[in-house]
Amino acid sequence: QKEVEQNSGPLSVPEGAIASLNCTYSDRGSQSFFWYRQYSGKSPELIMFIYSNGDKEDGRFTAQLNKASQYVSLLIRDSQPSDSATYLCAAHTGTASKLTFGTGTRLQVTL
Amino acid sequence: DVKVTQSSRYLVKRTGEKVFLECVQDMDHENMFWYRQDPGLGLRLIYFSYDVKMKEKGDIPEGYSVSREKKERFSLILESASTNQTSMYLCASSLYVGTTGELFFGEGSRLTVL
Repeated sequence: QKEVEQNSGPLSVPEGAIASLNCTYSDRGSQSFFWYRQYSGKSPELIMFIYSNGDKEDGRFTAQLNKASQYVSLLIRDSQPSDSATYLCAAHTGTASKLTFGTGTRLQVTL
Repeated sequence: DVKVTQSSRYLVKRTGEKVFLECVQDMDHENMFWYRQDPGLGLRLIYFSYDVKMKEKGDIPEGYSVSREKKERFSLILESASTNQTSMYLCASSLYVGTTGELFFGEGSRLTVL
């Protein structure tokens, strides 16, 4: 079992809709979680991080964490074509300063 | 802005060659990382370093070594390149990867081993 799992997609949503991206993790000791966006041919860039149960909002983005269910999600409201990218979920586990990444979900926002 | 610079965007090497991938960051970050990214496998950590001359193995260190002689520079070395090391290599740095840290990535080095 992979430590951080994501559905590879593609997830297709119409412009203006809410995109919901999901991630599960296996290590209950995971402490904090990160969402990165990666455009095709580019490097990942951080969108949000979350380490407490509940919701965290930043503009059109909301990260949700449920440690009991070992589940992290990213909601993108009012999706735009410029949101089309691969979204990587990552978990910080253990005492080492490293992140473990999921394989990413490809999001397509259609006109 | 933090800048992480990787020396080569594209390299083509032959099996058995020694390959050096260089990475430099300009923000005085403590931590530096080397990942490889492959379709369907995602980002996998090869090595990381949290201080000069310090290194830790990541999840897939076999066939690789690293060097960090100066704080700003982290090199990945393939002693004898093999075709299964054909991949996109991403260097990253962070001040502190924890509850509020973040990784800053370089543009990547696409290596093809023939």
